[in-house]
Amino acid sequence: AAGVIQSPRHLIKEKRETATLKCYPIPRHDTVYWYQQGPGQDPQFLISFYEKMQSDKGSIPDRFSAQQFSDYHSELNMSSLELGDSALYFCASSLGLAGGPFQETQYFGPGTRLLVL
Amino acid sequence: DAKTTQPNSMESNEEEPVHLPCNHSTISGTDYIHWYRQLPSQGPEYVIHGLTSNVNNRMASLAIAEDRKSSTLILHRATLRDAAVYYCILRGPNYGGATNKLIFGTGTLLAVQP
Repeated sequence: AAGVIQSPRHLIKEKRETATLKCYPIPRHDTVYWYQQGPGQDPQFLISFYEKMQSDKGSIPDRFSAQQFSDYHSELNMSSLELGDSALYFCASSLGLAGGPFQETQYFGPGTRLLVL
Repeated sequence: DAKTTQPNSMESNEEEPVHLPCNHSTISGTDYIHWYRQLPSQGPEYVIHGLTSNVNNRMASLAIAEDRKSSTLILHRATLRDAAVYYCILRGPNYGGATNKLIFGTGTLLAVQP
């Protein structure tokens, strides 16, 4: 079965540079979540999108922005990179449903490992 | 958000059952109990979830206390591949048109010995 695709898998950047992380959700999934996992830490929610609209926001720095496109893929743009941005960035996708209440399962990608030097 | 408490680590032997506890004494009536796990160098993956009744699926069983203030994830026969960090997460109901993030606490690192 198709899984969540993230690219690139590894990225090395210098301080103050920019980076763009891409996420391709499972086909027909309309919801995307972004999480950040620092070294030795647990995943932390950054931002989410449902049907191409931002739905929720966590502890995402103002230097970061994200969007979901018409084909439902999502991009996380990171500017003015800092050493502390070095982390694993996971994207997860799910299928939202009309009405509710319901409990949807999030399917995670393999992550993008970002190293800022 | 209601908080969960899990032991930092547990150890098991291969092919033996494993019981991973989770305390959530401030759980609300509409909170579901979810379990995700993260294998080394991989993204988290869904294991199981439940509301009030015990649940079984091909991966595990979830036993929920009658007062819902605690739950236990049961792996019936641990394999080396089950070595991972297991997260117990409470989630409120999701209504159409909104997203429902996962709030990861400090999970339990399960080591499986051959």
